[in-house]
Amino acid sequence: RKEVEQDPGPFNVPEGATVAFNCTYSNSASQSFFWYRQDCRKEPKLLMSVYSSGNEDGRFTAQLNRASQYISLLIRDSKLSDSATYLCVVNIRNGDYKLSFGAGTTVTVRA
Amino acid sequence: DTAVSQTPKYLVTQMGNDKSIKCEQNLGHDTMYWYKQDSKKFLKIMFSYNNKELIINETVPNRFSPKSPDKAHLNLHINSLELGDSAVYFCASSPRGTGVSYEQYFGPGTRLTVT
Repeated sequence: RKEVEQDPGPFNVPEGATVAFNCTYSNSASQSFFWYRQDCRKEPKLLMSVYSSGNEDGRFTAQLNRASQYISLLIRDSKLSDSATYLCVVNIRNGDYKLSFGAGTTVTVRA
Repeated sequence: DTAVSQTPKYLVTQMGNDKSIKCEQNLGHDTMYWYKQDSKKFLKIMFSYNNKELIINETVPNRFSPKSPDKAHLNLHINSLELGDSAVYFCASSPRGTGVSYEQYFGPGTRLTVT
């Protein structure tokens, strides 16, 4: 089983729509959770950390469900500039801590 | 100012050659990483250094040898390149690498093509 699994998509949505997607993680001892964004042929950049109680950053809302071991990201009022691949990232302890990345969910926002 | 920089950005070389990729960060971070992103887009950690000390060494062929001359630099040397080494290699840094995971800042990547 992969450490972090995501629906690859693509999610094709019109501008202004709401889009949401999940990722699941296998290591119940994970403590840190993030969503990164990666544009085509660019480096990943942190979008937001995910906290236990859920958190919002503008149009983006992240939720964590420890019991079911999944994380979600919701994007409201989608903009063309939201088109990207969203990487779910979880810290894994294997000796030391490391970040384990999902393969990403591709979102395309159309005009 | 570029926070994490890598050189070269593109690298095309033939099988069997030896090549190096350089990484520098000016963020004052203690920890640096090398990741490989293959054609399936999985980003996998290869190595991690904390204050010039190797702390993570994933299952990577020993043809790959990282070197950290100081905590602001982490270079990757690859011997006897193979077709399967073709990928994008990202360098990253973070404030801390042990115990707690902090945000990692990535370099622009080095696109390696082995022919």
